[in-house]
Order: sequence, then C-alpha cells, then structure tokens
Amino acid sequence: GEDVEQSLFLSVREGDSSVINCTYTDSSSTYLYWYKQEPGAGLQLLTYIFSNMDMKQDQRLTVLLNKKDKHLSLRIADTQTGDSAIYFCAETSNQGGKLIFGQGTELSVKP
Amino acid sequence: GAVVSQHPSRVICKSGTSVKIECRSLDFQATTMFWYRQFPKKSLMLMATSNEGSKATYEQGVEKDKFLINHASLTLSTLTVTSAHPEDSSFYICSAVWGGEQFFGPGTRLTVL
Repeated sequence: GEDVEQSLFLSVREGDSSVINCTYTDSSSTYLYWYKQEPGAGLQLLTYIFSNMDMKQDQRLTVLLNKKDKHLSLRIADTQTGDSAIYFCAETSNQGGKLIFGQGTELSVKP
Repeated sequence: GAVVSQHPSRVICKSGTSVKIECRSLDFQATTMFWYRQFPKKSLMLMATSNEGSKATYEQGVEKDKFLINHASLTLSTLTVTSAHPEDSSFYICSAVWGGEQFFGPGTRLTVL
C-alpha cells in the first residue's frame, strides 16, 4: 500500500533555515501537502504542490519535489520560535480524496 | 472562510459508555468529511470517509460497529464511539472537503477511564 515517511525530529537555531524531508511510495500521487500542527490543535495547511511541479515558493516556505525519487522537502527560511510544531507531509492521488500522512516531524527551534 | 469545528474539544468518560463527537463545516457545505485518529507523537490514521446521505466507508481494521458515523446533513458529521474502552483514548480529528481541499477541525481529545 501507499506509504509516506518522514524523519521524526529536527532541531534548529532561531534564524537558521529548516529543511524537513519526506519520501512517498505512491507513483500516482497527484497532490502533495505540508501541514503544521501545534500542540493540542488540528492541522493547518501550509502549502501544497502538484506533481507536475518541481518547486513552489510562498514567502518563507519553499517546497521542492523530486518526482523521480519520490522525495518532497519543505524549507522554512529564517526559522522562528513560533515555527516550533509538528509538520506532516501528505499525499493523495485524487484532489479532495483521502490523504496518506507521514509520521510527522517535530521541529524544535531554539533561541 | 472554510472553518470546521468539532465538539466537544475534550471529553472524559467511563469505560463502557458511548461518546458522540460532532464535526461541523461552519461556512460551507461538505458532501464528504473524513475522520482521523491520532495517537500521541504519531501520525494521523484515516478511520473512515463520511458521505452525506449514504453509509460511511471504513478503512481496513476499523470496526464500523464500534465507531458509528452519521453524515445526516451537508454541514454535520458525527462519530460515536460505542462502549468505549481505555484503548479508545485518542485525539480524533475530522476534515471536510470544499473546493477540492480538506479543511481540518481542531480535534477532540477523548480519555476513557
């Protein structure tokens, strides 16, 4: 079945860039998403990318997609303490359809 | 726009009782809603797809008689955990689909004593 993998933890200093990586197995993935979850809260959609794109930039966020290697990354520039949260990547082959989530990467930003 | 609410946000119940969790789309209509379960420090596991006016579609391994889903209107889906046990304690999150995107509720923390 489909699988999405992420590293579990990432620690950075405030002001540095953070790069969170994700790999997936479903070759029919059409949409790939990044969500942010703060403690005790639901999921906030950060950004998404279509599978026919290589890169998408939105302010401090840059998403890179290597479709050949099925590798997705999220770069957060000038990371702030408020960016500390769990970040999930997710994929679907059908927009509006069920999402397959990675395990989540806990980002810790130290002052 | 595209706000999804859940009620209650937190519930504690005794073992053997049933608990109902509501998921509402506040400013849009949603034919499809999803129910997820999240264990501490773990990913979200899709439990079922809730379709307005028809039976829910459950993922493999999810007991449909244990987790009853009713999507009676275009703005409300409910998840009832029947005869709850401590192993059902978890964070339950719903999402509603609008414009091809899923919008997530804030989650419900269920603790079964």
